[in-house]
Amino acid sequence: AQSVTQPDIHITVSEGASLELRCNYSYGATPYLFWYVQSPGQGLQLLLKYFSGDTLVQGIKGFEAEFKRSQSSFNLRKPSVHWSDAAEYFCAVGDNDYKLSFGAGTTVTVRA
Amino acid sequence: ETGVTQTPRHLVMGMTNKKSLKCEQHLGHNAMYWYKQSAKKPLELMFVYNFKEQTENNSVPSRFSPECPNSSHLFLHLHTLQPEDSALYLCASSQALEGEQYFGPGTRLTVT
Repeated sequence: AQSVTQPDIHITVSEGASLELRCNYSYGATPYLFWYVQSPGQGLQLLLKYFSGDTLVQGIKGFEAEFKRSQSSFNLRKPSVHWSDAAEYFCAVGDNDYKLSFGAGTTVTVRA
Repeated sequence: ETGVTQTPRHLVMGMTNKKSLKCEQHLGHNAMYWYKQSAKKPLELMFVYNFKEQTENNSVPSRFSPECPNSSHLFLHLHTLQPEDSALYLCASSQALEGEQYFGPGTRLTVT
């Protein structure tokens, strides 16, 4: 079974600074990879996904992620964060049976 | 209405009550899911329906009973719940089982 680790429980970043959220997965085959964002009191919104092809994936809201097979990682990045990026971020991996396994999440706080 | 909607958004129920959560998707998707989100824990997949047929029951206690009358609607019937069942219950849908999932805003359930 696949698993996902998000090593950082909480990250604080200044507005305008860059952001990188780490995600490591464990899965034997080529996974489907996703990043979701959840604002307080809301459901999860899909930021981006990787199925195959180019390992650098562009998403919504200026986010991108890079799939690195050798490191079993799918880190999320944004060059310049906005106060509205404060939220909880979830990495997820899907297997050939379509089940998604989610990480425990990383909470991002943006300071002015 | 667009996307995935869930009602009610908040629910408080006693351990002897019977209630139902409703999910509706307006995306023309064929697969629907129930997840449980507890504080500080990864999302837990509960049930999966594909073309109205249940394809996954992730060892969920029988006090949770799903129903999928058509591809657009999904219910979660609740009875004799326990306080530890208090959580955010999220519904999601996808075009196909292997596609990206779109989430509703969730129902915040409190069992007293």
